[in-house]
Amino acid sequence: NSKVIQTPRYLVKGQGQKAKMRCIPEKGHPVVFWYQQNKNNEFKFLINFQNQEVLQQIDMTEKRFSAECPSNSPCSLEIQSSEAGDSALYLCASSPGVSDYTFGSGTRLLVI
Amino acid sequence: GQQVQQSPASLVLQEGENAELQCNFSSTATRLQWFYQRPGGSLVSLLYNPSGTKHTGRLTSTTVTKERRSSLHISSSQTTDSGTYFCAISNMGYKLTFGTGTSLLVDP
Repeated sequence: NSKVIQTPRYLVKGQGQKAKMRCIPEKGHPVVFWYQQNKNNEFKFLINFQNQEVLQQIDMTEKRFSAECPSNSPCSLEIQSSEAGDSALYLCASSPGVSDYTFGSGTRLLVI
Repeated sequence: GQQVQQSPASLVLQEGENAELQCNFSSTATRLQWFYQRPGGSLVSLLYNPSGTKHTGRLTSTTVTKERRSSLHISSSQTTDSGTYFCAISNMGYKLTFGTGTSLLVDP
């Protein structure tokens, strides 16, 4: 069982609706990532945090996606206005910083 | 940016046969990790191996950093090994770049 907990497991939204997913990183891991995996098994990096501060994010993330990692609360990724192309598996991962990464089970988003 | 190529793209084996998966990357990697994923499943970490040789169970990974390549050897494959195997690297920064994946099917 993964030590990174993601909820919900599945999410179905209509186009234009908000979609929000959560992630509890592994205890003691200050670095948290969000990736998007499409049906072609391509991974797209979205954003990462270190101790609640954003380290890197891509343009897409800045425009329609918002993410935060508050202390003592789950991290979250929210899509403000879902599009069909956002349908994918959203993976959260955490790392102690200088070694390996642990991934959660993912949230599978379907935008209809 | 970094590029990670995996080969073969797909592999079909009979149960009991060995598998050799390759990962080649375009630039220096300070981190390298092998992952496994069943269709519709989560990404499971298999081995973290930025250099040298690491073993766990029936899995052996060898990474030659200077040559920018890594391999994953699966011995005595089982039907439950079927799925997609990904190699992922990063260099200095935290962001991982994933390979294209190798789809493995082990027939009984």
